[in-house]
Amino acid sequence: QKEVEQNSGPLSVPEGAIASLNCTYSDRGSQSFFWYRQYSGKSPELIMFIYSNGDKEDGRFTAQLNKASQYVSLLIRDSQPSDSATYLCAVNYPPGTYKYIFGTGTRLKVLA
Amino acid sequence: KAGVTQTPRYLIKTRGQQVTLSCSPISGHRSVSWYQQTPGQGLQFLFEYFSETQRNKGNFPGRFSGRQFSNSRSEMNVSTLELGDSALYLCASSLGDSSNEKLFFGSGTQLSVL
Repeated sequence: QKEVEQNSGPLSVPEGAIASLNCTYSDRGSQSFFWYRQYSGKSPELIMFIYSNGDKEDGRFTAQLNKASQYVSLLIRDSQPSDSATYLCAVNYPPGTYKYIFGTGTRLKVLA
Repeated sequence: KAGVTQTPRYLIKTRGQQVTLSCSPISGHRSVSWYQQTPGQGLQFLFEYFSETQRNKGNFPGRFSGRQFSNSRSEMNVSTLELGDSALYLCASSLGDSSNEKLFFGSGTQLSVL
């Protein structure tokens, strides 16, 4: 069973709206969670990471972690067409190793 | 600071051949990881090297191997290529001091096996 699950999308939102991207993981011991953005034809780049339950904000991005429900989400406020990309959720698994399990990604389309 | 450099950018091989991909990490980064990316499976972890030692390994067959040199540059080798090995191979570097570090990815090597 894959450790990290994401809805492949595409998720379409109008410009200026909030985009909500979700990710679930299977191992309760997972501790570190990452969101990467990948533009078409480009390599992934880190947007945010989160370790603790709750919210973490960075500019227009907010990562939310709920360890009890085993999900992590990424909110993008005031979505822009330039946010159109695939968003990859990654989990450091097994915890404490240098191995990361990636979800297959959610494709986001922000409509102008 | 130069980013992660992967060469070559594109490769076309035939079944049964072998291939070697190269990755130069960001200066000062001692950890190099390799990932295979395909449309169906997404990014899958191959292995990670730190100070010339393989610290972590994914669930790929033994045809996939790697190594790291004293200058932290890394190579990945795939022997006896199969059609299913066609993929984008991404290398990522990090400092290697913590498992919670940001990974910096290279542009990848697109391998096509015919």
